[in-house]
Amino acid sequence: EDQVTQSPEALRLQEGESSSLNCSYTVSGLRGLFWYRQDPGKGPEFLFTLYSAGEEKEKERLKATLTKKESFLHITAPKPEDSATYLCAVQAGSGGGADGLTFGKGTHLIIQP
Amino acid sequence: DTGVSQDPRHKITKRGQNVTFRCDPISEHNRLYWYRQTLGQGPEFLTYFQNEAQLEKSRLLSDRFSAERPKGSFSTLEIQRTEQGDSAMYLCASSRSGSMAGELFFGEGSRLTVL
Repeated sequence: EDQVTQSPEALRLQEGESSSLNCSYTVSGLRGLFWYRQDPGKGPEFLFTLYSAGEEKEKERLKATLTKKESFLHITAPKPEDSATYLCAVQAGSGGGADGLTFGKGTHLIIQP
Repeated sequence: DTGVSQDPRHKITKRGQNVTFRCDPISEHNRLYWYRQTLGQGPEFLTYFQNEAQLEKSRLLSDRFSAERPKGSFSTLEIQRTEQGDSAMYLCASSRSGSMAGELFFGEGSRLTVL
């Protein structure tokens, strides 16, 4: 069974204080690893796709990296508007849409001004 | 781009009643997904449509849950004989065929409360 574990469950940072969120996974035949952002009362918003170990993606203050067992979401000099729950998800199997994503529980990030 | 639209946003019902949620995906997206999210958890995959064909439904939580996408456009998710454990956010997502299947556009969800 595919498993995704995110840590920490919650993280409180001061504005400008950089940090990293962790996503460890156990899956047979990883097709892709995905990061989403979710604001309270809203649906998740897609951020990044990572396909293979060593890959990195960046967007504004966020950078996602992937190894064979885990992924990190690095946040550099965060601002209060970066406060959200960050979800990690994996897709395994033969690919195509029929293989739904397996999500972790998320990291609830709060950036204090 | 009007985004994925879900209706109703909130539904309160009594145990034993049937409820139906509607999802209108982004117009050019032929893939449509339903997920369920409970408090403090990540979304849980329920079912998947490509056009009007339901290609994955084994993950629906019980035979009380059913979904349709009759003309390959909007979709409905029905829960019969609701139970208190069905209280959750029901999320719809869509994507284009050819895009990576995990790059989904989610709606804002339909929150169900079963009393």
